[in-house]
Amino acid sequence: QQQVKQSPQSLIVQKGGISIINCAYENTAFDYFPWYQQFPGKGPALLIAIRPDVSEKKEGRFTISFNKSAKQFSLHIMDSQPGDSATYFCAASMRGGYQKVTFGTGTKLQVIP
Amino acid sequence: KAGVTQTPRYLIKTRGQQVTLSCSPISGHRSVSWYQQTPGQGLQFLFEYFSETQRNKGNFPGRFSGRQFSNSRSEMNVSTLELGDSALYLCASSYTGGAGDTQYFGPGTRLTVL
Repeated sequence: QQQVKQSPQSLIVQKGGISIINCAYENTAFDYFPWYQQFPGKGPALLIAIRPDVSEKKEGRFTISFNKSAKQFSLHIMDSQPGDSATYFCAASMRGGYQKVTFGTGTKLQVIP
Repeated sequence: KAGVTQTPRYLIKTRGQQVTLSCSPISGHRSVSWYQQTPGQGLQFLFEYFSETQRNKGNFPGRFSGRQFSNSRSEMNVSTLELGDSALYLCASSYTGGAGDTQYFGPGTRLTVL
């Protein structure tokens, strides 16, 4: 019940294309859903986050879509660039969970020129 | 502002030994969390500390322990190392550790157990 399932495991996208990564969760107590970006040799860095009272959040080329009834959320990267090549993790935590963040398994994105 | 620092960056140990990893959070951050990252299991939560108190713990055996000092610096210890403990250990800090409080991760300590 604590799991966050993420797909695909890897993704290759042409420069300028749209990258889409999907996540699903079971625990309805989760109420904060961040996405992290990790480059080789670095720790994950927060990219964008959403709460379940909002269906979409956009920051620059990055958009989170959230479907509360389906318990699914996704990250869309518009106009993907080679510099976006990294591993992306979705995650979830619950109010009062004191940073006990449950991560998805990660998606390795490669953007080719 | 300096980021989260972790020392050492790389460690090689043998089975049965113990190891201590250190984490210095961002100045002003009082919450420190630890995660284990492996190719097979991904990122898994170990524990979280706030004001020297462990507030949350993941599903790891008692060989994994931690502590936090009054200056918010934290250490984690793994005793009786096993081959499966080989992983990247990440530390993250935030102001309060609340669910919506942004966590900032360090670069990690790469532990190899031979």
